[in-house]
Amino acid sequence: RKEVEQDPGPFNVPEGATVAFNCTYSNSASQSFFWYRQDCRKEPKLLMSVYSSGNEDGRFTAQLNRASQYISLLIRDSKLSDSATYLCVVKSDRRNNNDMRFGAGTRLTVKP
Amino acid sequence: DVKVTQSSRYLVKRTGEKVFLECVQDMDHENMFWYRQDPGLGLRLIYFSYDVKMKEKGDIPEGYSVSREKKERFSLILESASTNQTSMYLCASSSRDFSYEQYFGPGTRLTVT
Repeated sequence: RKEVEQDPGPFNVPEGATVAFNCTYSNSASQSFFWYRQDCRKEPKLLMSVYSSGNEDGRFTAQLNRASQYISLLIRDSKLSDSATYLCVVKSDRRNNNDMRFGAGTRLTVKP
Repeated sequence: DVKVTQSSRYLVKRTGEKVFLECVQDMDHENMFWYRQDPGLGLRLIYFSYDVKMKEKGDIPEGYSVSREKKERFSLILESASTNQTSMYLCASSSRDFSYEQYFGPGTRLTVT
């Protein structure tokens, strides 16, 4: 079983739609959670951290459910520029503070 | 503007060749990483380094070695390339204090024939 699992998609949505992705993780000792974004043929970049209380950054909302071991990303009012692959990342402190596990990603395509 | 550069965008090598992939960062980061990214498998950590001359194995170190002689440079070496090492290789760096934010290079697509 993978440590971090995501629905690979693709999610195809019209502009203006609301779309949500989930991610589950298996290591209950995981401490920190993040979403990275990877555009087609580009490198991943940090999108946002995920806090226990949930957090928003503009149209993006991230939530964490520790009991069920999943995190989510909600995108409201989708834009064409949101088309990308969204990587769920889970961090523990097992190895010199560098143990980050990446999901395989969920691909989103926003269409006009 | 933070920058991580990798020596090649595309590389084609033959089975059995020794391959060097170079990564340079200009952010004075302590941590550097090598990943490979394959469809459906995500990023898998090969090796990382948290200081000059220090290295630690990641999840899939077999068939690879690394070198970090200078803080800004982290090299990945394939001692004898095999076809199952055909992949996208991504280098990343992060600071010790904000280790969760990794800055990635553009990647090297390696094809081993």
